[in-house]
Amino acid sequence: AQKVTQAQTEISVVEKEDVTLDCVYETRDTTYYLFWYKQPPSGELVFLIRRNSFDEQNEISGRYSWNFQKSTSSFNFTITASQVVDSAVYFCALGGMKTSYDKVIFGPGTSLSVIP
Amino acid sequence: SAVISQKPSRDICQRGTSLTIQCQVDSQVTMMFWYRQQPGQSLTLIATANQGSEATYESGFVIDKFPISRPNLTFSTLTVSNMSPEDSSIYLCSVEDWTAYYGYTFGSGTRLTVV
Repeated sequence: AQKVTQAQTEISVVEKEDVTLDCVYETRDTTYYLFWYKQPPSGELVFLIRRNSFDEQNEISGRYSWNFQKSTSSFNFTITASQVVDSAVYFCALGGMKTSYDKVIFGPGTSLSVIP
Repeated sequence: SAVISQKPSRDICQRGTSLTIQCQVDSQVTMMFWYRQQPGQSLTLIATANQGSEATYESGFVIDKFPISRPNLTFSTLTVSNMSPEDSSIYLCSVEDWTAYYGYTFGSGTRLTVV
């Protein structure tokens, strides 16, 4: 069965601190997609990144970086020098790759509060 | 990337009534997905809607409660029928977006409160 675990329910950091959000997934598929989405208080879901299972290169985008380790089934997300605008719920998600239409399974989310 | 217009953005409904939520996409898409997000919870897939065929429902969701229409490649509706307070949630539609960033784009959501 497919499953996404985000062990951290809530995290609070002081502005400018670095913070890492953990994501562990389970799947029997050999190929799959991993995603991170941000949901600010306004409620919309904002796409952050997609990673293919066969591409284990880490990625950096500005203050955001992602560490994908297939050996440990983890896809962690780090925010460097956090800002108040980073306060949101962050969801890690797992999608199939067998067809174009495999559904996406979302983790429970991590609520991040950045305190000024 | 695809742009989704979802309506209404929020509604307060009486129990026992029905609400139809609309999603309009600015490009043609094969599959549309409907999710429910209960208060403080993650997203749960309700069903997958393919144009021209019956929607495929996930375990725990049935067509009588959540009928879906998909009349063309840019539009879909989800109806929440015979509502109870337990149906109070955010409902979101989503499409695959393999243009700009190869991800899934979501509508802005419909925040439903049943009283």
